[in-house]
Amino acid sequence: EIVLTQSPGTLSLSPGERATLSCTASQSIRSTYLAWYQQRPGQAPRLLIYGVSNRATGIPDTFSGSGSGTDFTLTITRLDPEDSAVYYCQQYGSSPFTFGPGTRVHIK
Amino acid sequence: EVQLLQSGGAFVQPGGSLRLSCAASGFTFSAYAMSWVRQAPGKGLEWVSAITGSGRDTYHADSVQGRFIISRDNSKTTLYLQMDRLRAEDTAVYYCAKDSRGWYWETHFDNWGQGALVTVSS
Repeated sequence: EIVLTQSPGTLSLSPGERATLSCTASQSIRSTYLAWYQQRPGQAPRLLIYGVSNRATGIPDTFSGSGSGTDFTLTITRLDPEDSAVYYCQQYGSSPFTFGPGTRVHIK
Repeated sequence: EVQLLQSGGAFVQPGGSLRLSCAASGFTFSAYAMSWVRQAPGKGLEWVSAITGSGRDTYHADSVQGRFIISRDNSKTTLYLQMDRLRAEDTAVYYCAKDSRGWYWETHFDNWGQGALVTVSS
C-alpha cells in the first residue's frame, strides 16, 4: 500500500498570500495518477486537480498542481477566505487507492 | 448537472446491518464506476468499495471485506452499500463518489454525494 504524507499539517496565511502544500508518497506513483481534493468544514470533498496538474471543471487558475515520482505540490496563489479548508492528496495508480492525512489551510 | 443524493445513514448497534443508497442524476449512470469513501469523525478519507459501470467488477477494502457489499441498479440509477456485522470502527460519514471512467482503477473521483453518517454504538 502506498502511504501518502502531507506537510505542513496546518498552514495559517493571510488573504492574498501564496500557499504551498506538499504530498510525499512512500513509493513512486504510477504515471500521473495523483489528485487533490478540497474539503470545507461540514462539506463533502471536491475535486480540484487530477492527473497531477489538470484542474477540474470550474476550478480557478489560482489552483495549480505539479510534481512527479514521489513528490507533489498543490499551490494556491492569492489566497481567498473561501480557500479555508482541508486539502487531501490521493493516489489512484496502485490499489488500494489511498489518501494523505490532509493539510488544513487557515486564513487569518 | 451531476447530482448524488444519499440516504440511509443511521445509528446502529454493533453486529447490526444497514444499507446506504446513493441516487444519481445528471449523467449516464451505467457508463461510470462508482465508489464509497468514508471519513471517521475528525479523521481523513478511506476508499472503502468500488464497482464498475456495468456492475461486473467490485472492490472492497480489507477492513470491510466479507462484511460490506457494493451494488448498483442501473435501471434506477442508484448505488448501494450493504453493511453487515457493523463494528464501532465503522462509525463514519460515508460518501458516494462518481469515478471519472467506467472502471474504478486509475480513476479519480469527480463528484461526491453529501455524505451519510453511520454511527455504530451500543
